Amino acid sequence: EIVLTQSPGTLSLSPGERATLSCRASQSVSSNYLAWYQQKLGQAPRLLIYRASIRATGIPDRFSGSGSGTDFTLTISGLEADDFAVYYCQQYSPWTFGQGTKVEIK
Amino acid sequence: QVQLVESGGGLVKPGGSLRLSCAASGFIFSDYYMSWIRQAPGKGLEWVSYISQSGVAIYSSDSLRGRFTISRDNAKNSLYLQMNGLRAEDTAVYFCGRWNEGLDVWGQGTTVTVSS
Repeated sequence: EIVLTQSPGTLSLSPGERATLSCRASQSVSSNYLAWYQQKLGQAPRLLIYRASIRATGIPDRFSGSGSGTDFTLTISGLEADDFAVYYCQQYSPWTFGQGTKVEIK
Repeated sequence: QVQLVESGGGLVKPGGSLRLSCAASGFIFSDYYMSWIRQAPGKGLEWVSYISQSGVAIYSSDSLRGRFTISRDNAKNSLYLQMNGLRAEDTAVYFCGRWNEGLDVWGQGTTVTVSS
């Protein structure tokens, strides 16, 4: 089973700043089968990125994904108030989730 | 609109059983893999199981295989999760999700509490 480790656990930033979230896999993720989700308190998660770098429908372009192999990054350029949430990565070959990174207001 | 609605959660005693349902609408249900994901209180997401469009292919978490069984009824646009031998650690919100290279549609979740 591929283990995904997200870092940092918590990221404290101010609105307008850039957020860089890391997801590291214990072994190579085939075909970059990696997705990112955003979850706000009390809500279901929302798909942001799939295949490591493709934005899902309706996702603003301030969200971008990159990486390959074992190292993946979600970048939020210019945090908006609505972006403070928990973010999870998921690899789907087969499925596992990372433990999440909380992006909080500094 | 595209929607998933879970039901069937509740309070159950350890060792008991529950059957969760997920009603789909607004899309061609039989075109998609479907999945169950759970989230224990204050914890992260945990994949439970997913099922192919026809129901022939089923993949389940190693830790849950044997107790939880996913199924679907395409005629009823419904996904199910049969949970047996429930334990306190199965207490969680259970979400159903549509797989479209990423879980692109989620239900609001149904809460399962296992306690005596």
